[in-house]
Amino acid sequence: EVQLVESGGGLVRPGGSLRLSCGDSGFTFSTYWMSWVRQAPGKGLEWVANINQDGNEKHYVDSVKGRFTISRDNAKNSLYLQMNSLRVDDTAVYYCVREVAWVAFDIWGRGTMVTVS
Amino acid sequence: QSALTQPASVSGSPGQSITISCTGTSSDVGGYNYVSWFQQHPGRAPKLIIYAVSSRPSGVSNRFSGSKSGNTASLTISGLQAEDEADYYCGSYTSGSTLEVFGGGTKLTVL
Repeated sequence: EVQLVESGGGLVRPGGSLRLSCGDSGFTFSTYWMSWVRQAPGKGLEWVANINQDGNEKHYVDSVKGRFTISRDNAKNSLYLQMNSLRVDDTAVYYCVREVAWVAFDIWGRGTMVTVS
Repeated sequence: QSALTQPASVSGSPGQSITISCTGTSSDVGGYNYVSWFQQHPGRAPKLIIYAVSSRPSGVSNRFSGSKSGNTASLTISGLQAEDEADYYCGSYTSGSTLEVFGGGTKLTVL
């Protein structure tokens, strides 16, 4: 079964750091762009960052540029999001998603909750 | 404030058809055929139901259809069913500094 599983969320103070991880099962991880999408409590979806297949092209939403870093390890079939200088408005469920074309997020994990307080 | 504008809510009766709009600009919806729609039930992860404006992923009901005219994309759900009650989000590629943007979401109520 194709699935994505996130981990690493939790409660952190403003200014702190967290590293989210995402592992896959059931598809050839190294052949897909991957993204992180977040959703604040009771709010809509917000694309955060994406990375190409070999990790040499990365894009970020303006609000996280310089604070978050997306990376991947294709040997471990894993996606990461290093989050530094966290702010209260970074509080959200963070989803790891597979991207088959621009904004075509076809596989979603269950999400991991990040609370900055 | 979301980059793409959706109505906050729509409603319809079982069997009816409804349409949800998603309005952007020539820098996103109007400029590219990269528009997707997602369905999200409470407490669940979103699900891709339309991509590339009007394509349906395998396994998605043909009651869901997408289209675009100018800077506005639309999702139509025909033969409304109780299980269609959910939040719906549009998304688009953008030439702006943020590569991909979503609408604010539309809550569909099946009466």
